[in-house]
Amino acid sequence: GAVVSQHPSRVICKSGTSVKIECRSLDFQATTMFWYRQFPKQSLMLMATSNEGSKATYEQGVEKDKFLINHASLTLSTLTVTSAHPEDSSFYICSATAASGHQETQYFGPGTRLLVL
Amino acid sequence: QKEVEQNSGPLSVPEGAIASLNCTYSDRVSQSFFWYRQYSGKSPELIMSIYSNGDKEDGRFTAQLNKASQYVSLLIRDSQPSDSATYLCAVNRKAAGNKLTFGGGTRVLVKP
Repeated sequence: GAVVSQHPSRVICKSGTSVKIECRSLDFQATTMFWYRQFPKQSLMLMATSNEGSKATYEQGVEKDKFLINHASLTLSTLTVTSAHPEDSSFYICSATAASGHQETQYFGPGTRLLVL
Repeated sequence: QKEVEQNSGPLSVPEGAIASLNCTYSDRVSQSFFWYRQYSGKSPELIMSIYSNGDKEDGRFTAQLNKASQYVSLLIRDSQPSDSATYLCAVNRKAAGNKLTFGGGTRVLVKP
């Protein structure tokens, strides 16, 4: 159980285009999803917290107008990188929280590798 | 001081030996503790979660939590080359909206 999928797994795009990444919880409902970014040889960096039906909460330094997050249902959150530039090239990973008893655990999707040319 | 600290390694372990990974955290009200494994180029995979003081065993993995010392560890018994990866320690506070704070990770190399 607790499977999270992401689509696409890899995307190459031209500078200035927008890219949408989907994150789905396949076998559970996730009230909260998180979006991370990871540059090579660095640790995960939390970008934003996404709650179903409400606006995402962005971490300091993350531009909300550049990284649009929509969490329309309990199983789907999307991240849109608008007007992507080469410096946005990174590994984007989502996670979804599954409740077990009174504890919540984050399960990660397989990630989306974005390359902006 | 970082909120969650890990030795970056690499921790080199001969096959069949025990790998011991350590993690310290600064926030005393932390409630949940997790170990994730991340292979190069892949996303993190949950290995263990621990919430109360003491040991928790799952297969070849044992997590140990000492809240008084603000210390959580992971032991990998009978280490295999397939255990070679980066291990991430993560800490959660409910007051922080269930956000995880990650350590920088410890790279483990298991040599045949």
